[in-house]
Amino acid sequence: EIVLTQSPGTLSLSPGERATLSCRASQSVNSNYLAWYQQIPGQAPRLLISGASSRATGVPDRFSGSGSESDFTLTISRLEPEDFAVYYCQQYGSSWTFGQGTKLEI
Amino acid sequence: QVQLVESGGGLVKPEGSLRLSCAASGFTFRDHYMSWIRQPPGKGLEWVSFIGGNGRTKYYADSFKGRFTISRDNAKNSLYLQVNSLRAEDTAVYYCARSRGGPYYFDYWGQGTLVTVSS
Repeated sequence: EIVLTQSPGTLSLSPGERATLSCRASQSVNSNYLAWYQQIPGQAPRLLISGASSRATGVPDRFSGSGSESDFTLTISRLEPEDFAVYYCQQYGSSWTFGQGTKLEI
Repeated sequence: QVQLVESGGGLVKPEGSLRLSCAASGFTFRDHYMSWIRQPPGKGLEWVSFIGGNGRTKYYADSFKGRFTISRDNAKNSLYLQVNSLRAEDTAVYYCARSRGGPYYFDYWGQGTLVTVSS
């Protein structure tokens, strides 16, 4: 099973700042099959990125994904108040697993 | 628009059983793999199971083999999860989710249904 480790566990930033979230896999992720989700407390997760770097429909362009093999990054270029949430990565190259999440707080 | 609405959660005693349902609308249900994902209170997401569009292909995470059974009824646009021998650690919000193009990532999620296992 591929284990995904997200860092940091909690990231404290202010609106307007840049956020960089990391997701590292215990082995290479086939075909860069890596997705990112945003979860606001009390709500279901929302797909942001698939295929490591493809934004889902309706996702603002301040969200970008990058990386390959076992090292992936989600970047939020300029934080808006609604971006403070928990973010999860998920790999779907070999079975399906989620990272433990990064909480982005104000 | 795509809608997924879960139901069937509630308070269940240990060793009890439960059948969760997910009603889908707004898309051609039979064309999509569907999945169940759960989230214990205050914790992260755990993938449980996938089922193919024809209902014949099924995958389970190792932790969920044996007590969990996924199924679907394409005539009713519905997805199901049967859970037996419930334990306290099964307490979680259970989400149904649609996968795009195959058993890959989850592009739409329901709002979830809470299952609480307690005596």
